[in-house]
Amino acid sequence: AQSVTQLGSHVSVSEGALVLLRCNYSSSVPPYLFWYVQYPNQGLQLLLKYTTGATLVKGINGFEAEFKKSETSFHLTKPSAHMSDAAEYFCAVSDGEGGSEKLVFGKGTKLTVNP
Amino acid sequence: NAGVMQNPRHLVRRRGQEARLRCSPVKGHSHVYWYRQLPEEGLKFMVYLQKENIIDESGMPKERFSAEFPKEGPSILRIQQVVRGDSAAYFCASSGGYITGELFFGEGSRLTVL
Repeated sequence: AQSVTQLGSHVSVSEGALVLLRCNYSSSVPPYLFWYVQYPNQGLQLLLKYTTGATLVKGINGFEAEFKKSETSFHLTKPSAHMSDAAEYFCAVSDGEGGSEKLVFGKGTKLTVNP
Repeated sequence: NAGVMQNPRHLVRRRGQEARLRCSPVKGHSHVYWYRQLPEEGLKFMVYLQKENIIDESGMPKERFSAEFPKEGPSILRIQQVVRGDSAAYFCASSGGYITGELFFGEGSRLTVL
């Protein structure tokens, strides 16, 4: 069975500092990997995804993530945090089995950005 | 608005009542997924439907919960005889089924059981 572990349920950074949110996955087949962002009382918005090809993936709002098969990781980074980045971030994995796009999510990491 | 529409956004029910949550997918999407989000937890998969078919209900509780996606109209998640533990945010997502890997999420329905 697939699973996702997000290290750190809460991360706090200063505005302008590097953002690093960690995600490790478990999958028996080559995975599709995703990062979603959730603002308070809203749904989830896709930040970026990895399916095949280049292992460094760029997303919206200046975020990027690198797929490292040897480490089974897909950490999310942003060079310089902005106040508007404060939200909850979810890492997810899918194997596309049977044509399904069913995602397995991590428990989420709440990002706080301090002025 | 061409996104996933969920209603109601907030629903309050007393124990024992029924809750019905509706989801209209992105126009043209025929695949619908329901997820439940409990406090301090991620989203848990409940059910995956295509028009008139339940494809995967491995995440649905065995009792009181049901889902449908009729040929016409929205998908409905129905919870009978609600209990306090059903209080959660329920999210619907849709896809076009092209294995793009992207699900489009609605803003959720927040159920509170008194």
